[in-house]
This record gives sequence, C-alpha cells and structure tokens, in this order.
Amino acid sequence: EPEVTQTPSHQVTQMGQEVILRCVPISNHLYFYWYRQILGQKVEFLVSFYNNEISEKSEIFDDQFSVERPDGSNFTLKIRSTKLEDSAMYFCASSEGEGLDSNQPQHFGDGTRLSIL
Amino acid sequence: DAKTTQPNSMESNEEEPVHLPCNHSTISGTDYIHWYRQLPSQGPEYVIHGLTSNVNNRMASLAIAEDRKSSTLILHRATLRDAAVYYCILRSNDYKLSFGAGTTVTVRA
Repeated sequence: EPEVTQTPSHQVTQMGQEVILRCVPISNHLYFYWYRQILGQKVEFLVSFYNNEISEKSEIFDDQFSVERPDGSNFTLKIRSTKLEDSAMYFCASSEGEGLDSNQPQHFGDGTRLSIL
Repeated sequence: DAKTTQPNSMESNEEEPVHLPCNHSTISGTDYIHWYRQLPSQGPEYVIHGLTSNVNNRMASLAIAEDRKSSTLILHRATLRDAAVYYCILRSNDYKLSFGAGTTVTVRA
C-alpha cells in the first residue's frame, strides 16, 4: 500500500538555525498538509497546499514557516529561525481529489521529531 | 469548527468488540464524520468516515444516529494493535482536520 514518507525521523537543531523537513506524499495525491504535535498535546494543523499554492494556514504558520514543492515528488516545510517552542513532532499528510472535498481521507507519515536546543 | 465530545479513555479485552461514542450535537448538514486513530509513536491513521448512513470497512464500522448528533465507532474484535488514541472529527468544506484530545483505548490481553 502506498504511504507518505518523511525524513529525517529525528532532527536536532540549535535555536535560531534554519531547518527543512522533507516529505514524499503519495504519488497521485494533489493536496498536501503539515501538522505538528507538541509532546503530550493535540495534533495541530499548520498548512495545506494545492496547485503550488497555500490553500489554508493556521495562526501557528507565521512568517517563520514556509512550504514548497520543489519537484514532482517532494514537499518540504522550512522553519527559518527555530525557537525552543518549535520542538514537536511534525506530520506530513496528503490526500487525493479535486476541490474542497470533505469526503477525502488524509494519509499521514510517521513524522519527524524536531528537537530545538 | 463544529465540536465533538469523546470519553477520555476506554478499556477493552482482546477479541471483544469496542464501541467508541462521539457526541456532535451542533453538527451541520454538510459535516462528514471522520474517525482517525494514532498508534504510539506514529502519525494519525484514517479509519472510516460517513455522512448519514452506517458505514463498514475492513478496519471498523461507523454507526450514525438518525439525527446525526452522535455516532459510534465499532471495532468488532479488538487486538493489541488497536491500542491507540481515536479521534472523532467533523469536516465540512475545510482543508484541515481539527483534532481534539480523542479517546485513549487500552486493550487487555
């Protein structure tokens, strides 16, 4: 069964440094997402991406964050200047379908654990 | 976002059915009811979804009340691998999934 893959599984970065988290969504999917989960807390939506544009973002997704689909297979999340509070699990997800379709499930990767020192 | 209410935790014995309730009294006519689960150290995993009719798939069944103000996820025979946090999420014309605290299911061998 096709799956979403994320690399690295664990990233340790010094505060203030830039970090790029990478994801390979399922190949025929058109919608891409990032979520995060701070230890012991809920899974939180960050951003959705479709047709090379951000379609929706949360208040967490401020100017320090950016997303990109640099080629036909990868989807990346960049944090420009990391803060201690960015430490969390970051999950990438993808879904197929056209338009705002509440019928389409999202398929998640197993996440990247980001630790900011 | 329409809200859902789930019990914090439930326990089950292996090989027995598990019924996970979810209340969503403010559901709108266009809200789909989605269920996801999150196994330890893994990302969320889609389980099932429905709009009005009951739904079955290889993982579970979803029973939706006639007034749609509540639903129940049914795991027919719990295994140790079903121990996870189960999330009931309403979704309508929205890109994002809004996760709550979910129900932590413990399965006893």
